[in-house]
Amino acid sequence: EVQLVESGGGLVQPGRSMKLSCAASGFTFNNYDMAWVCQAPKKGLEWVATISYDGSSTYYRDSVKGRFTISRDNAKSTLYLQMDSLRSEDTATYYCARCDYAPFAYWGQGTLVTVSS
Amino acid sequence: DIQMTQSPASLSASLGETVTIECRASEDIYNGLAWYQQKPGKSPQLLIYNANSLHTGVPSRFSGSGSGTQYSLKINSLQSEDVASYFCQQYYDYPPYTFGAGTKLELK
Repeated sequence: EVQLVESGGGLVQPGRSMKLSCAASGFTFNNYDMAWVCQAPKKGLEWVATISYDGSSTYYRDSVKGRFTISRDNAKSTLYLQMDSLRSEDTATYYCARCDYAPFAYWGQGTLVTVSS
Repeated sequence: DIQMTQSPASLSASLGETVTIECRASEDIYNGLAWYQQKPGKSPQLLIYNANSLHTGVPSRFSGSGSGTQYSLKINSLQSEDVASYFCQQYYDYPPYTFGAGTKLELK
C-alpha cells in the first residue's frame, strides 16, 4: 500500500524558514517523480513543485521560485520542501504526492504551515 | 498558463440522482485532465485520469468524458459518501499544473 506521511509544519514568522518532509513507503520511491501541492484554508489546490525520480530536474510555480527548494533522498525514501523567506500568503496545508500516470496519483494526509507574527 | 474554469461552484443533489460537473480549459489540453475528490477534512484522492480512465479502486459510478477544451465528471446513482469537493486539473501543458476552483457537492 502506498503511504506518504508529511511532517514539519507548524507556526512560523514571516521571513523565516521551514523544512517539510514526506516519508514514503509501500513502493519503490526512486522510480517515481514526486510533487508538493498546497491548499490555503478553505481554498482550492495549487501545485507548488515537482522533482524527477532521480532528483536531476525540478520545477516550481512562479510564486515560490527562488524561495522554495524541493529535494529528495532516495536512500531514505523521503521528499523534502525547504521553504525560505516565508510570507503570509504561503499559509496552507502542504501535501506531498506521487506522480504516476497522473501527476498526483497518491497523496499524503498533509501538514499545515501557518505564517504569522 | 492554461486556465481551468469549473462549474458549478456548488450543487445540491438527492441520493440516487445523477450529477455532472463541467471543466473548461482555456486551450486544447488533449485529454490531459484529471479529476480529484476531496472529502471534508481529508486529502484529495485521484478519481479519473486521461479524461476518462478510472483510477484503481474508484467505483464505476464515476466516469469522465470530453475532449479539446470541454470535460465533465459524471456521478451516477449518488451515494452519501460522495459528498465532497471535486477538482479538475490539467497536465497537458506544464509547468504549471493548474486546477479548477472546485465544486462542492452536498446532499439535498
